[in-house]
Amino acid sequence: GAGVSQSPRYKVAKRGQDVALRCDPISGHVSLFWYQQALGQGPEFLTYFQNEAQLDKSGLPSDRFFAERPEGSVSTLKIQRTQQEDSAVYLCASRRDRGGYEQYFGPGTRLTVT
Amino acid sequence: GQNIDQPTEMTATEGAIVQINCTYQTSGFNGLFWYQQHAGEAPTFLSYNVLDGLEEKGRFSSFLSRSKGYSYLLLKELQMKDSASYLCAVNQAGTALIFGKGTTLSVSS
Repeated sequence: GAGVSQSPRYKVAKRGQDVALRCDPISGHVSLFWYQQALGQGPEFLTYFQNEAQLDKSGLPSDRFFAERPEGSVSTLKIQRTQQEDSAVYLCASRRDRGGYEQYFGPGTRLTVT
Repeated sequence: GQNIDQPTEMTATEGAIVQINCTYQTSGFNGLFWYQQHAGEAPTFLSYNVLDGLEEKGRFSSFLSRSKGYSYLLLKELQMKDSASYLCAVNQAGTALIFGKGTTLSVSS
């Protein structure tokens, strides 16, 4: 079946612009996670949804970052007034739950802020 | 605090065996994962350990000692396609993963 998909795959934004990154999880997966991965580093947790409920947003670096999953499926990560330090790969992962423990990752969106 | 340590880089030759170590200090523990990530691609799941001991899956094995806060990933019969970054991650509270910085493995012929 289809895996986790993300769009766009690449995004170039000028400093100060707003961006929206989309994640389509595997159908039926309950949990959804967003991670930020800087070059040469491991992914760092941003936020977590269980269905439509955002249960943990402790990793969001500032109030410029906002995530939603209104219908418990597709999720959008929005970054307002982008800064150069926001340049990174943004990974989305989903997990089946109910006995499933593995997180399945999407290919990521590479954001470059100029 | 929480900390996950793994070597930054390792090199090996085709056909060899390599062991990638990971030590962790976290406030909670609900399992340890190993992921493989090729450059520009998504991390893909390799193994999961929640109890002490060795889990074997084909050419890949993973070991966990919870009392020592230690895990390793063992790759046998190395192939060129195994050149990638290997990420150790701890599931602290059943939700998000805490990742190490990754170990870049280079396999040469």
